[in-house]
Amino acid sequence: SAVISQKPSRDICQRGTSLTIQCQVDSQVTMMFWYRQQPGQSLTLIATANQGSEATYESGFVIDKFPISRPNLTFSTLTVSNMSPEDSSIYLCSVDRGGRSDTQYFGPGTRLTVL
Amino acid sequence: GESVGLHLPTLSVQEGDNSIINCAYSNSASDYFIWYKQESGKGPQFIIDIRSNMDKRQGQRVTVLLNKTVKHLSLQIAATQPGDSAVYFCAETPSGGYQKVTFGIGTKLQVIP
Repeated sequence: SAVISQKPSRDICQRGTSLTIQCQVDSQVTMMFWYRQQPGQSLTLIATANQGSEATYESGFVIDKFPISRPNLTFSTLTVSNMSPEDSSIYLCSVDRGGRSDTQYFGPGTRLTVL
Repeated sequence: GESVGLHLPTLSVQEGDNSIINCAYSNSASDYFIWYKQESGKGPQFIIDIRSNMDKRQGQRVTVLLNKTVKHLSLQIAATQPGDSAVYFCAETPSGGYQKVTFGIGTKLQVIP
């Protein structure tokens, strides 16, 4: 498994502002992922972040709204830009350690409320 | 499009009884299936996985069954405990290197003491 931490754990933000969420892993990993989980719903993949290349975004998510950084093999950030109340969600990072296992391990999540 | 879904959104079980959580998937190319447990305020936690070349896999108090004929996956929890109360997600991914993982809707398991 992997130990994953996220900062902040929660935040309340004003409409129109931006928030950057950090994800730190205790060991080097090839692939990191960012998910959104709206209240009472399942997880939706936002993008895949690989070190040394631009993030790959899923349909419905764009870089201008959710810019991602991946400066090294243990760290990534997701920014939620120009927030609106519809962005209120839990944002989760996960990692895939590669090899034969395709299992993803998740961080604790960042609970975002936009007023 | 392809999807993974669950039959029961909420399941209430008496403490000590066995729980069965079901999941249907539609992608016939799915090769790897995972069950996750998500407790309130936490991220999903890996429980057990199974590959498409198996139809059953057992862990500690948990068993996953895979029926590829009808594209059905289930999670069985033996002797359900209050600590098992959580939302359970099935997830699937096709074969062939890294592929996108698709999560099901989720089933909330409530254990009645």
